[in-house]
Amino acid sequence: TQLLEQSPQFLSIQEGENLTVYCNSSSVFSSLQWYRQEPGEGPVLLVTVVTGGEVKKLKRLTFQFGDARKDSSLHITAAQPGDTGLYLCAGNRNARQLTFGSGTQLTVLP
Amino acid sequence: EADIYQTPRYLVIGTGKKITLECSQTMGHDKMYWYQQDPGMELHLIHYSYGVNSTEKGDLSSESTVSRIRTEHFPLTLESARPSHTSQYLCASSETGVSNQPQHFGDGTRLSIL
Repeated sequence: TQLLEQSPQFLSIQEGENLTVYCNSSSVFSSLQWYRQEPGEGPVLLVTVVTGGEVKKLKRLTFQFGDARKDSSLHITAAQPGDTGLYLCAGNRNARQLTFGSGTQLTVLP
Repeated sequence: EADIYQTPRYLVIGTGKKITLECSQTMGHDKMYWYQQDPGMELHLIHYSYGVNSTEKGDLSSESTVSRIRTEHFPLTLESARPSHTSQYLCASSETGVSNQPQHFGDGTRLSIL
């Protein structure tokens, strides 16, 4: 059973389009992180959200943590080919380990 | 700037060989982790350590073993490699302290067992 479900699993869009990626769980997390992983590299942290309802912006990326701290979303405005990668959410439950989501593979076509 | 290094980057080796994947970090982090990841898929935690002489198994059962004799070094060993071990192995580290510290990842070792 996957604790953190991400959707969609694959997404291919044209440059300039907007998109939203979702990360859902039935469990409550004390914090949630989003990472981006490019081919041949390890994941790199984009943001950490801690408070229910929190919204954080990172240039064209907007991250939201659900009010109940069970879900999160990542919205990208005017996607660019450089946004291509595997987007992973990761939840912190017990202050000891992260649980990673199933991932969304995003491809932005020029 | 994260400084965590994994070697080798790629390894193709025959069944039955003993393999050690190296991971070193220069940040002085107490916490270190090993994950297994199939291409484009989620990361599964197989081992973690909170400091020297401390190692624990993760959520995903693995036939590999780890050691933590020095803070900066966290090698993973497979005593007898099998084709089912073919995967990408990612090492990470994080600071001790509040629970939402980011994990810093190496670039991984892509392992293929023939």
